[in-house]
Parts: sequence; C-alpha cells; structure tokens
Amino acid sequence: AQKITQTQPGMFVQEKEAVTLDCTYDTSDPSYGLFWYKQPSSGEMIFLIYQGSYDQQNATEGRYSLNFQKARKSANLVISASQLGDSAMYFCASGTSYGKLTFGQGTILTVHP
Amino acid sequence: DAMVIQNPRYQVTQFGKPVTLSCSQTLNHNVMYWYQQKSSQAPKLLFHYYDKDFNNEADTPDNFQSRRPNTSFCFLDIRSPGLGDAAMYLCATSWGQFGETQYFGPGTRLLVL
Repeated sequence: AQKITQTQPGMFVQEKEAVTLDCTYDTSDPSYGLFWYKQPSSGEMIFLIYQGSYDQQNATEGRYSLNFQKARKSANLVISASQLGDSAMYFCASGTSYGKLTFGQGTILTVHP
Repeated sequence: DAMVIQNPRYQVTQFGKPVTLSCSQTLNHNVMYWYQQKSSQAPKLLFHYYDKDFNNEADTPDNFQSRRPNTSFCFLDIRSPGLGDAAMYLCATSWGQFGETQYFGPGTRLLVL
C-alpha cells in the first residue's frame, strides 16, 4: 500500500518569492514514481513534475523543482519566483507498478501581490 | 495539440436518472482512468482500462460502470445517481501502466438534483 502525506493544508507566499510544499511518502514498492499536480479553481489537474525512484538527480521543470530525499522519503516541490497564477491546490502523488496514483490531501497555495 | 477532452464540462441530472460522461483523447495512450473528486478531497480512482482490459477498484460502487469502445474514447455511466455522487469526475490517460505520468482532462462537474 502507498500513502502520501501533505502536512500543510494552506501556504502563503509573496509574489516573486520561492515557496516549498512538503510531501512525504510511504511505499513498499522498490520502484515508484512521484508526481506533483496543480489544480486551479477551474478543476483541471495539471501535471507539473515527475521524479523516478532511481533517478539520481532532482527533477526540474522551469520554475518547478523537486527536492527528492529518498532516505527521508520526502519529495518536496519548490516553486521559484512565485506568480499570482500559481495560486491553486497542489497535490503530491505516487505511482505504483500497475498505474494507480495515490494522492495526498493537497496544499492550497495563495500568492499575495 | 494532443489532449484529453471531457464532455460536458458541467452536467446536471436528477436523482436516479442515468447519466453518461464522456472522455476522449488524441494522445493515443493505452491507459485511460476515471477518478471521482469530491469537494476539498483528493481524487479517488474508480477504474481504469489498459487497452481493453478493465480494472475495477475494489471499493467502486456497482452503480458506476465504464465502457471503452476504442482507443480514443472512454465513458463513465452512472446508472442511478444519488445525491452523494455529486462530484468532479476526472478522466486521465497514460502511455503505460508502470509509474507513467497521467494526463488529465478538464473534468466534468456533476450536480444531482
């Protein structure tokens, strides 16, 4: 079984500053994938970034980077230079060998001007 | 652009009246998923198709059925909607099953009167 824990129900950040959203995971699978999705108020789930369990380097995609610490079972999302459009719900998820995604409860990010 | 399309975006139905939600994809992905997401909760997987192989989650109510007539289309049928079935329904696709990134459509918000 897989479990994802996001301990921050809500986060606030000033525009242009960086913010870290926390995610810890628990899995018995030797091989797994970790994902972050953004869900604006419109409801669409937007894929942001992926980290494979065997990847040596932390994943980066533009302003998004994933701080992967395997020994601590954490996969925190770092958003640099926050923008007003980053305000949304963010979900951390893990993927199993048969495709099921297990989601955390999400973190609502609010970016202040 | 390759994408996942869901129609309609908003659906209103009456208690007990069957309703069908539609999903199509131009990504030519093998796997299609249906998720249910209730307000302020994480998405919950209902079932998925790997090609024509149907995989039902153990706790998905019998009231929910799915059809995948071809690679591009997948339907969610709710045979007798109850008030508790009001939710956002998200369709997603991925190339394969193992830890693959899932790409979501914009979702269909279902309201049951």
